[in-house]
Order: sequence, then C-alpha cells, then structure tokens
Amino acid sequence: GENVEQHPSTLSVQEGDSAVIKCTYSDSASNYFPWYKQELGKRPQLIIDIRSNVGEKKDQRIAVTLNKTAKHFSLHITETQPEDSAVYFCAASKGSARQLTFGSGTQLTVLP
Amino acid sequence: NAGVTQTPKFQVLKTGQSMTLQCAQDMNHEYMSWYRQDPGMGLRLIHYSVGAGITDQGEVPNGYNVSRSTTEDFPLRLLSAAPSQTSVYFCASSYLGGGQNEQFFGPGTRLTVL
Repeated sequence: GENVEQHPSTLSVQEGDSAVIKCTYSDSASNYFPWYKQELGKRPQLIIDIRSNVGEKKDQRIAVTLNKTAKHFSLHITETQPEDSAVYFCAASKGSARQLTFGSGTQLTVLP
Repeated sequence: NAGVTQTPKFQVLKTGQSMTLQCAQDMNHEYMSWYRQDPGMGLRLIHYSVGAGITDQGEVPNGYNVSRSTTEDFPLRLLSAAPSQTSVYFCASSYLGGGQNEQFFGPGTRLTVL
C-alpha cells in the first residue's frame, strides 16, 4: 500500500519567515495530495490540495509544489504568523478513491 | 448545516467493554470514513463506505466493525475494547463525484480504555 513520509516532525520559525514541509509518497498511482492543518484539540481542516496534473498551486500565503518524477510534494507558507502555529499533515490518495494515507505530521511553531 | 457530527466527545471504557461511536453528516456525502489518530503517527484509516450498504476495510480494521444503513450515519463499533484502542477517533465524509475530493472531518471522539 501507499506510504507517506513527512519531514520535519517539528519546525520553529520566526514570525514573518517562511516555512517548508516536505512529504514523499511511494505509490506512483497516487494523484491527489491534500494538506491539512490541525490546531490543538481540533479537527483537521483542509488548507490546500493539488492534483498530479498540476505542478504548483497557490492560495495567498500558502503554496504546494509537486514533483511526480521524484514522488514528493511540499507545503510552503510565507510571511508566517503566530496563528499559523499548528500541526500540518500531508496525505495522498489515488484514482477516484477517497481513502487517504497521511504523513505523521509536522508541529509548526511560529515565534513572535 | 451541522456538517459532520460525532458523539460522544469523550469516553472512558474498561478493557472488554463494547461501545459505539456515532457519526452523522447532513451534506448528502456518499463517502464516509473513520480514522484513528495516535501521537506521532498521523491519522490511520480504519473503515470506509462509498454508500449505504457498502463498507470496506482500511489500514487498521482489527477490533472495529462498521455498518452503513443510511447515507447520513456511519457508526463505529468496538466489540471488546483494548488499551491499544486508546486514541482520538475522527469521522470524515466527502462527495464521490467530480473533482470534489475534499474530506470534511468531525470534531473527534477521545477514547480511553483502561
């Protein structure tokens, strides 16, 4: 089955700096890659996603890049703010399936 | 719309007890699923359903049963609780059609098995 690895497990940045979180996947048939943000004690919420026919997608301060050849994708957050502090999860699924395989998560801390 | 709802929010069980975690959605989503979240391990898929009467196993199905008698409800049953089932459980749902892959999560149930 699919295996998704996520790095780093913890990341601290100064407010205003950029943060990058990286994930690799094992199944070349995977074609949908969402990123979820989870605040302490809350449910995961989708922040951005990308499909395998697209190399990059942006939404304000958040961007995701995908390298299908290398089977990795990354989350980029620019101009970080304290409210960006949370755990971020990458995930992958394939075909029309909705079953997601998640990475182990990254605890992002934005220092004021 | 209430979205995805889960009950209870917290539950403490003794080893060997059984219980049902409830999940409901009011978005007419065909797809529903259950994940468990353990520290440092992300979310792992337990069971999922693509419609009423259809269920299938995910990555970690042992010790759990599900059924889907209606589009709205997808309960998760623990037949004989074990300490290894201490976790936070999330239900999620989504459409199956078109490119609408987004899954919506419920607020979670924190389960402790003593």
